[in-house]
Amino acid sequence: DTGVSQNPRHKITKRGQNVTFRCDPISEHNRLYWYRQTLGQGPEFLTYFQNEAQLEKSRLLSDRFSAERPKGSFSTLEIQRTEQGDSAMYLCASSLDGPRPQYFGPGTRLTVL
Amino acid sequence: DAKTTQPNSMESNEEEPVHLPCNHSTISGTDYIHWYRQLPSQGPEYVIHGLTSNVNNRMASLAIAEDRKSSTLILHRATLRDAAVYYCILSGAGGTSYGKLTFGQGTILTVHP
Repeated sequence: DTGVSQNPRHKITKRGQNVTFRCDPISEHNRLYWYRQTLGQGPEFLTYFQNEAQLEKSRLLSDRFSAERPKGSFSTLEIQRTEQGDSAMYLCASSLDGPRPQYFGPGTRLTVL
Repeated sequence: DAKTTQPNSMESNEEEPVHLPCNHSTISGTDYIHWYRQLPSQGPEYVIHGLTSNVNNRMASLAIAEDRKSSTLILHRATLRDAAVYYCILSGAGGTSYGKLTFGQGTILTVHP
């Protein structure tokens, strides 16, 4: 197993455009998490899935953000009408149920011009 | 979420032990204590976690105070590759409440050759 993968690794977009990121978790992990990290800060929780069900969403996740995990495997995070404040590293993690470690991907760095 | 308090930064010399403290005076009985670290330009990496008893793994040891209001991450012999931001995080157990990690500012560990 190669761990959690994220694509693309970098994305530069203009304000107002839509972007979509993909996360492929470790294959047997049924939990998948999205976090956002800005420069100099720790990661902030955005949302998480157990299988295909989205169980919790942060208040940080505005209506412009949507996440899916259609078959309980990979997940996508879409940001509509991007703003400069959306520029950040978007991290995905996966884990098994319960108090188990979360394994993080390398992140997707988004720059909104 | 119960909060943790960590020193902003610590320094160590290579091949010496490092003790990274964390205070969590409002911890609840079902909160697990997790430690993650983040190397520059990488996603966070799981280090260790525990509930009540001290824990050891190949990376580190976790010493948990008897009243669970504090804990210490112990790196037995620091190497230059251990230079990172170390995060102490509490996360509740059970059902859908367990999942998200709330990262604080962490402790920046500098290791001198």
